[in-house]
Amino acid sequence: AQKVTQAQTEISVVEKEDVTLDCVYETRDTTYYLFWYKQPPSGELVFLIRRNSFDEQNEISGRYSWNFQKSTSSFNFTITASQVVDSAVYFCALSEFNAGNNRKLIWGLGTSLAVNP
Amino acid sequence: DAGVTQSPTHLIKTRGQHVTLRCSPISGHKSVSWYQQVLGQGPQFIFQYYEKEERGRGNFPDRFSARQFPNYSSELNVNALLLGDSALYLCASSGHDRAGELFFGEGSRLTVL
Repeated sequence: AQKVTQAQTEISVVEKEDVTLDCVYETRDTTYYLFWYKQPPSGELVFLIRRNSFDEQNEISGRYSWNFQKSTSSFNFTITASQVVDSAVYFCALSEFNAGNNRKLIWGLGTSLAVNP
Repeated sequence: DAGVTQSPTHLIKTRGQHVTLRCSPISGHKSVSWYQQVLGQGPQFIFQYYEKEERGRGNFPDRFSARQFPNYSSELNVNALLLGDSALYLCASSGHDRAGELFFGEGSRLTVL
């Protein structure tokens, strides 16, 4: 069965600190997609990144970076120099690779990040 | 361009009642998915529709049903509401060319009293 675990339920940091959000997944599929979404207090889930299991190259986008390690089934997310606007709940999710037109995502429970001024 | 729109944004019902939630996908998107998010938890997959056909169903009772219309908008219906149905119901649309990338609406927050 597919499963996503985000062990950190809440993290609190002071502005400008770096913070890493952990994500560990389980799947029997050899190919799959991994995602990170941000959910601010407004409730709308905002897509951050998609990574397919073929591509273990780490990715950096501005202050955001992602470390995908297939050997440890982890897909961690780091925010560098955090800002108050980064305060949100962050979700890691997993889906089948050859899902065709199926778009079923398996979600972690989320990590609530509070960035304090 | 308009994103995914959902209505109503908030609603309160009592146990045993029925509710209909509506979703309009991003223009050009033919796939709509519904998720239930209970407070403090991650979203749980309910349904996915593509081209008006059900393509996936999560582990929800038959009280939950949905449909997709020719314009690709969708409705989620829940009958015989229970207190445990109180949640944020999220609709997401996706285009065929972006495998797995879901665009979410702001959700409909349902409270069952």
